[in-house]
Amino acid sequence: GDSVTQMEGPVTLSEEAFLTINCTYTATGYPSLFWYVQYPGEGLQLLLKATKADDKGSNKGFEATYRKETTSFHLEKGSVQVSDSAVYFCALSVPHGNTGKLIFGQGTTLQVKP
Amino acid sequence: ETGVTQTPRHLVMGMTNKKSLKCEQHLGHNAMYWYKQSAKKPLELMFVYSLEERVENNSVPSRFSPECPNSSHLFLHLHTLQPEDSALYLCASSQDTSGYNEQFFGPGTRLTVL
Repeated sequence: GDSVTQMEGPVTLSEEAFLTINCTYTATGYPSLFWYVQYPGEGLQLLLKATKADDKGSNKGFEATYRKETTSFHLEKGSVQVSDSAVYFCALSVPHGNTGKLIFGQGTTLQVKP
Repeated sequence: ETGVTQTPRHLVMGMTNKKSLKCEQHLGHNAMYWYKQSAKKPLELMFVYSLEERVENNSVPSRFSPECPNSSHLFLHLHTLQPEDSALYLCASSQDTSGYNEQFFGPGTRLTVL
């Protein structure tokens, strides 16, 4: 079945460090790929998305490229800030008739220290 | 109010109580969802509604009963819950259930079952 695997956390970085959070997926069909972020005490917010192979999603300095050949959608940021501390979820959606649903990875906690 | 709102934000209940969670979306979307978020587990999709009709029920115990009176409101009625049902319950909405559109999440209801 369809699934998403993320690197286990927590990931602890110093401010201005480079961030990579790995995400790989298994899917039948042609999924759309998403990164969601959850700040403490809040719901999930869409961070970026890509709907076809080689698309790059970007937002707030974060980027991820849809790699069909490696079935990956790794999240990167060149210089993290303390305010980026949150839980990051990779997700995929494969349209199935009228029930296209999001399948989430387990989440990766990012802690950024000043 | 904008986006997706959920009430209450926190709820403590005994195993014999009956309570309801409420979700409201102000985005004009046609699809609404209930998710369960437990510690150290991926988000679990519970129910999907499209145009007020339930289109998915992921083997959720009958002690959870959803209701969608219109496309803007979604309820989750709870009765005779178990301590393992303690979790963050997230509501989301999207334009439709095709899987191509992002889901917008509410802040969640933190439920504790004693």
